[in-house]
Amino acid sequence: AQSVTQPDIHITVSEGASLELRCNYSYGATPYLFWYVQSPGQGLQLLLKYFSGDTLVQGIKGFEAEFKRSQSSFNLRKPSVHWSDAAEYFCAVGEPGRGQNFVFGPGTRLSVLP
Amino acid sequence: EAQVTQNPRYLITVTGKKLTVTCSQNMNHEYMSWYRQDPGLGLRQIYYSMNVEVTDKGDVPEGYKVSRKEKRNFPLILESPSPNQTSLYFCASSSPDRGYEQYFGPGTRLTVT
Repeated sequence: AQSVTQPDIHITVSEGASLELRCNYSYGATPYLFWYVQSPGQGLQLLLKYFSGDTLVQGIKGFEAEFKRSQSSFNLRKPSVHWSDAAEYFCAVGEPGRGQNFVFGPGTRLSVLP
Repeated sequence: EAQVTQNPRYLITVTGKKLTVTCSQNMNHEYMSWYRQDPGLGLRQIYYSMNVEVTDKGDVPEGYKVSRKEKRNFPLILESPSPNQTSLYFCASSSPDRGYEQYFGPGTRLTVT
């Protein structure tokens, strides 16, 4: 069975600083990989996804993520954080061939200092 | 507007009183799911459906039922709610044509006393 870990429960960065949120997964092959963002009191919005091909994926709001097969990782990055990026971020894994069976990580809460 | 709707958004109920949370999507998506979100645990999948009359258990199905009689609707049923089912619930839909991107509803906050 798949599993997803997000080692950082809470991260605080200053506005304008760079950001990297970590995600590691356990799965025998290459899974479908996703990053979602949840603003306070809101539902979840997809930031980006990886299925195959180029291992560096661009998403919305200036985010990108890199799939590293050797490290079973799919870390999310942003070069310059804005105060509006404060939210909770979830990494998720889907199993090819079972398109609707997703596993989410526990989430990383991002705080942004002015 | 493409969306997933859930009702009710907030519900306080008592142990043992059957309840249903409705979910509807207007995107003609084949796949629909229910998740519960608890602090420190992220989202855990309760049930999912790959099409009408096709449902399967997710990671935490105990105490829940679902049905998929129409493509657009996927209600979540708690036949005898218990306090440990107090949680924030999300419905989601997706389609393989859209790369399995899940569209989430706004959430239903359930409190069972």
